[in-house]
Amino acid sequence: GENVEQHPSTLSVQEGDSAVIKCTYSDSASNYFPWYKQELGKRPQLIIDIRSNVGEKKDQRIAVTLNKTAKHFSLHITETQPEDSAVYFCAASKGGGADGLTFGKGTHLIIQP
Amino acid sequence: DTAVSQTPKYLVTQMGNDKSIKCEQNLGHDTMYWYKQDSKKFLKIMFSYNNKELIINETVPNRFSPKSPDKAHLNLHINSLELGDSAVYFCASSPSVGGETQYFGPGTRLLVL
Repeated sequence: GENVEQHPSTLSVQEGDSAVIKCTYSDSASNYFPWYKQELGKRPQLIIDIRSNVGEKKDQRIAVTLNKTAKHFSLHITETQPEDSAVYFCAASKGGGADGLTFGKGTHLIIQP
Repeated sequence: DTAVSQTPKYLVTQMGNDKSIKCEQNLGHDTMYWYKQDSKKFLKIMFSYNNKELIINETVPNRFSPKSPDKAHLNLHINSLELGDSAVYFCASSPSVGGETQYFGPGTRLLVL
């Protein structure tokens, strides 16, 4: 089955700096890669996703890049703000049907004021 | 209105008991899921279900069984609860066409004593 590795497990950055979280996946058939943000005690919320026919996607301060050949994808957050502090999860799936998401182990992002 | 809802929010019970968690979605989605998030925050798929197929993660003990009375509901029944079942259980749903994007419920915190 699919295996998703995520690094780092904890990331501390100064407010206003950029943060990068990296993930690798094992199954070349995976074609959908979402990123979820989870605040303490809350549900995971989708912040951005990318499909395998696209190399990069941006939404304001958030961007995701995908390298299918190397089987890795990354989340980039620019101009970080205190409200960006949370646990971020990458995930992968083959899409369609009833395919569940395989999640990475999460990155605890801490924004230092 | 809440898109994906779960009840109860908290569940405290004794080892050996049987319990159910309910999930409802009003998004008109065809596919629903159950995920388990353990104390280390790892999120793992337990079940995927639509009106055509049930996909069971092979690591899930058969004490866990999903029950779907209709397309908008997917309940999780757990027999003979064990201490290791303590976790947060999240329900999610997605549309069936191009339907990889999953929307999560608020979670049910289960504590087995």
